Amino acid sequence: EAGVAQSPRYKIIEKRQSVAFWCNPISGHATLYWYQQILGQGPKLLIQFQNNGVVDDSQLPKDRFSAERLKGVDSTLKIQPAKLEDSAVYLCASGESGNTIYFGEGSWLTVV
Amino acid sequence: RKEVEQDPGPFNVPEGATVAFNCTYSNSASQSFFWYRQDCRKEPKLLMSVYSSGNEDGRFTAQLNRASQYISLLIRDSKLSDSATYLCVVRGVGLTFGTGTQLKVEL
Repeated sequence: EAGVAQSPRYKIIEKRQSVAFWCNPISGHATLYWYQQILGQGPKLLIQFQNNGVVDDSQLPKDRFSAERLKGVDSTLKIQPAKLEDSAVYLCASGESGNTIYFGEGSWLTVV
Repeated sequence: RKEVEQDPGPFNVPEGATVAFNCTYSNSASQSFFWYRQDCRKEPKLLMSVYSSGNEDGRFTAQLNRASQYISLLIRDSKLSDSATYLCVVRGVGLTFGTGTQLKVEL
C-alpha cells in the first residue's frame, strides 16, 4: 500500500517569499492533517481536514498560512510571506476516522 | 500548562538497561493515547496504542492512568536500535503531540 506522499522534500527560500507544499494521502483516508515540527519540538497541528471540510485550524497562522483540500483527496499548504521562524518540517498525515494516523516523510523548509 | 508534557531527556542508558518514560496530559476528556517513535530526520511512526488495562508488545509496555492523567512507556533490555525520540500522543478532536523524550542507548 502506498504511503503518504509529500513534495517537495526540501525547499530553501528567502524571507517574504512564498512556498507551497503538496500532500497526497493514503487512498481512502478521509482525514488529512498538516503538522509543523520545529527542530527539538514535537509536531504541532496546523490544520485538520475531514474529506474537504476543515475540522480544526485554530493553530494555523491565517495571516500567512493557507491550506486547501478541494476534492477531498490531496492537499496544498501555502505560506506567504514566509518568516524566518517558519523554518521547520511540514508533515502531512492521513488516517481513517478515530484510528492511527500515518505520516509522510515531510517537507523541510529553510527560510533565510 | 501544555496539553501534553514530557521530560525531553536525553536519557543515556547502556545496552540491556530498562528505561521508563512518563507523560502527563491536561484534557480529562481525551479519548485515546499512543506512543510514537521518531528517528533522527524521519517522520513519526506509531509504536503502540495505550490502554487503561496496560498493554505489552515484546520489550515495550505501556500504561495509562486516567485518574492521574498519566501515561508511561517501559522499555526492557534496551537495544542500540531503540535510540530515537519517543513522542507521547493524545487524541481529543485531533492528535496532540508532546515534545518527545530522546533516548540514546550506548554500548
